[in-house]
Amino acid sequence: KAGVTQTPRYLIKTRGQQVTLSCSPISGHRSVSWYQQTPGQGLQFLFEYFSETQRNKGNFPGRFSGRQFSNSRSEMNVSTLELGDSALYLCASSNGGSGNTIYFGEGSWLTVV
Amino acid sequence: SQELEQSPQSLIVQEGKNLTINCTSSKTLYGLYWYKQKYGEGLIFLMMLQKGGEEKSHEKITAKLDEKKQQSSLHITASQPSHAGIYLCGAVLTNAGGTSYGKLTFGQGTILTVHP
Repeated sequence: KAGVTQTPRYLIKTRGQQVTLSCSPISGHRSVSWYQQTPGQGLQFLFEYFSETQRNKGNFPGRFSGRQFSNSRSEMNVSTLELGDSALYLCASSNGGSGNTIYFGEGSWLTVV
Repeated sequence: SQELEQSPQSLIVQEGKNLTINCTSSKTLYGLYWYKQKYGEGLIFLMMLQKGGEEKSHEKITAKLDEKKQQSSLHITASQPSHAGIYLCGAVLTNAGGTSYGKLTFGQGTILTVHP
């Protein structure tokens, strides 16, 4: 069974640009969550999608957005990049219910210069 | 203050020693997850606890959940260099009609170093 796949693994962007990250969850999983990890703030929840609907949202500005497709694959987009957006972005997948195991991908390293 | 506090923040032990990492919540726990991370990589799932008093083990790692104290502990027996890494606890802290199980709040992590 394939794990959670994130692409790209590494990318460098310039301030003001936008970026799209992709996540393919484990087959059969309907919930995909996104997290931002930085040395200063640790792991912070961005949002969760369940069956193509945003079910939970963290405290991030509107520049951060996401979507989920009918095959459960998800994308997150960050517009008007700032230097502070440099981080490891992690995607997690699960069945979305109580007691379900939540699996994480390897992450996408974003550097904003 | 943090909703989920981990202690200690870092730990250095000699190979073969036992160690414990704690995770304390300021809110009701609806699920508690333990992960291990190598720097710059993804999170590796270790264990998930949901019921008070629950205890799970995998190889030399045991996790317990104390519902009354809103606390979980992760215990490693006879540590090995392969146990080195960052240990993270993540929790479901809300139960909005069963729709919050995809949202985890994380502690700040515990950096474990094991000297051979």
